[in-house]
Amino acid sequence: EPEVTQTPSHQVTQMGQEVILRCVPISNHLYFYWYRQILGQKVEFLVSFYNNEISEKSEIFDDQFSVERPDGSNFTLKIRSTKLEDSAMYFCASRGQFWTNEKLFFGSGTQLSVL
Amino acid sequence: DAKTTQPPSMDCAEGRAANLPCNHSTISGNEYVYWYRQIHSQGPQYIIHGLKNNETNEMASLIITEDRKSSTLILPHATLRDTAVYYCIVQTGANNLFFGTGTRLTVIP
Repeated sequence: EPEVTQTPSHQVTQMGQEVILRCVPISNHLYFYWYRQILGQKVEFLVSFYNNEISEKSEIFDDQFSVERPDGSNFTLKIRSTKLEDSAMYFCASRGQFWTNEKLFFGSGTQLSVL
Repeated sequence: DAKTTQPPSMDCAEGRAANLPCNHSTISGNEYVYWYRQIHSQGPQYIIHGLKNNETNEMASLIITEDRKSSTLILPHATLRDTAVYYCIVQTGANNLFFGTGTRLTVIP
C-alpha cells in the first residue's frame, strides 16, 4: 500500500528556534493535512491544504505556524519560534479526492521535543 | 460534524470478536461513519467507513443501525496486535477529520 513519509522521526530543538517538519504525501494525492498529538491527549487537527493554499485551519495554527508545498512532492510544516508547549507528535496526512469520502493516509509522525 | 460517544476502554479475549460501539445520535443524512485506530503512538490507520449499509472489508465489519444513530465496529477474531485506540468519526466527505478520545481496546491473551 502507498505510504506517507515523514522526516525526521525525532527532532529536538531549543525553545525559540525555528523548525521545519517534512512530509512526502502519496504521489497522486491532492489534499494534505497536519495533525498533532500531545503526549496522552487526542489527535488534533492543525491545517488542511489544497491547490497551494490553506483550506482550513484550527485555532492552534496561529501565526507561528506555516505550511508550504515547495515542489511537487514535499509538504512542510514550519514553526517559526518554538515553545515548550509545541512538544508533540506531528502527523502528516493526505487524500486523493475531496468529495468521494476517500480515507486519509497518515504518516508515522515526527516526535518534536522543545527544550 | 456530528459528535460521537464511545466507551473509554474495553477488553477482549484473544481470538474472540471485539465489538466496539459508537453513538452518533445527531448524525445527518450526508454524514459518513469512519473508523480509524491508533496503535501506540503510530499514525492513525483507516479501518472502514459507511453511510447506511453495513460494510465489511479484510480488517473489520461495520454495522450501522437503521436510524443511523449508532454503529458497531466488529473485529471478528481479535489478536494482540489489535490492541489500540479506536476512533469513531462522523463527517461529510468535504470536511476534515476531527478525532475524539476513542475507545482503548486491550486484547488479552
